[in-house]
Amino acid sequence: NAGVMQNPRHLVRRRGQEARLRCSPMKGHSHVYWYRQLPEEGLKFMVYLQKENIIDESGMPKERFSAEFPKEGPSILRIQQVVRGDSAAYFCASSPGTSVYTDTQYFGPGTRLTVL
Amino acid sequence: KQEVTQIPAALSVPEGENLVLNCSFTDSAIYNLQWFRQDPGKGLTSLLLIQSSQREQTSGRLNASLDKSSGRSTLYIAASQPGDSATYLCAVLYSGAGSYQLTFGKGTKLSVIP
Repeated sequence: NAGVMQNPRHLVRRRGQEARLRCSPMKGHSHVYWYRQLPEEGLKFMVYLQKENIIDESGMPKERFSAEFPKEGPSILRIQQVVRGDSAAYFCASSPGTSVYTDTQYFGPGTRLTVL
Repeated sequence: KQEVTQIPAALSVPEGENLVLNCSFTDSAIYNLQWFRQDPGKGLTSLLLIQSSQREQTSGRLNASLDKSSGRSTLYIAASQPGDSATYLCAVLYSGAGSYQLTFGKGTKLSVIP
């Protein structure tokens, strides 16, 4: 049973370009979460999705960031017109959605975005 | 707003020593508390999950406790090994946010010296 998969593992973009980060949840998991880890900072929640639905995007910057989890295929975190401050590690996690008390969130290896 | 604090920020111990990592949170309205391990440049590995109704969980040399009323958790590592060197993260699933977002501490960086 493969774990949470993220690609690419490393992504370099120039200011103003778009970044697309992909996340394939563990088999059987229907809940996906995105977190961002800035240098010297803790992980911060960005968005929580279920298939075809955004459940909570309260941690997502209002501008330039969007996320989706389509019926088929991976979840995508999209950052438009990247700026240097977007440089960070972006982690995806998934959970089975069985019980809020017992569900562990399983994390992928992360995508490290560098904006030049 | 939920806040999670981990003390100490860094810890260095000789191999074989038992150690305790501390985590505190400001709001006791949680579903569960999880401890993770993060190796440099890598993702997070789940170590233990304690439900809000539980007091402790054990896995091998690891034991985590939860005192929800006081907003505290500890991770006890017995007979530490160099392979335990990593950053340990505490996170709470806060039920007051109306969602299932984890709130993380900044971690304790552990170095076990051979």
